[in-house]
Amino acid sequence: GAVVSQHPSRVICKSGTSVKIECRSLDFQATTMFWYRQFPKQSLMLMATSNEGSKATYEQGVEKDKFLINHASLTLSTLTVTSAHPEDSSFYICSATARQGPSEQYFGPGTRLTVT
Amino acid sequence: TQLLEQSPQFLSIQEGENLTVYCNSSSVFSSLQWYRQEPGEGPVLLVTVVTGGEVKKLKRLTFQFGDARKDSSLHITAAQPGDTGLYLCARGGSGGSNYKLTFGKGTLLTVNP
Repeated sequence: GAVVSQHPSRVICKSGTSVKIECRSLDFQATTMFWYRQFPKQSLMLMATSNEGSKATYEQGVEKDKFLINHASLTLSTLTVTSAHPEDSSFYICSATARQGPSEQYFGPGTRLTVT
Repeated sequence: TQLLEQSPQFLSIQEGENLTVYCNSSSVFSSLQWYRQEPGEGPVLLVTVVTGGEVKKLKRLTFQFGDARKDSSLHITAAQPGDTGLYLCARGGSGGSNYKLTFGKGTLLTVNP
């Protein structure tokens, strides 16, 4: 099956700094990538939809200036959490849909962000 | 907002017991997916159901899609500790390759040895 990777798997940063999370589709070209966040023992909440070469579409309540998304190629999307605060600590998961073939979303393994 | 209600939210059972998890909505699903997520990992797709009344089996897991396509259930027979995880149902949006998934709140299952 299709493989999606995320880097880093875990990151700790200080309050006020920015951190970048990468999402890569390893063996397919991804038309669209999605970014989710998940708090402990809770479900996934969609943050934004990212299409290659265009601006991301953010869900209601998600600050686009705080969560910068770049989808520069068909295999890479990045999420940058700017001026991170402790409340941004969460599990961030990306998913990708293939350019050709069924529209199933393939999920990455997630990135655990801790802001101290 | 097309909400998905999952129940129960938490479930702790002994190895060997059976259990059922439910996913309901007030609106019709075009399709519904079930995922299982282990701690610290991304969700893994278990099954997609698309036809009203459909039943799919995956080893000890049985998935059912309601006739009206507004509800679904996941039944696990003889649960094992390895079944422990967060079970999520999700529905797609408008279809096509760019559709968004809406997840239910999940059922956190713990199977005790």
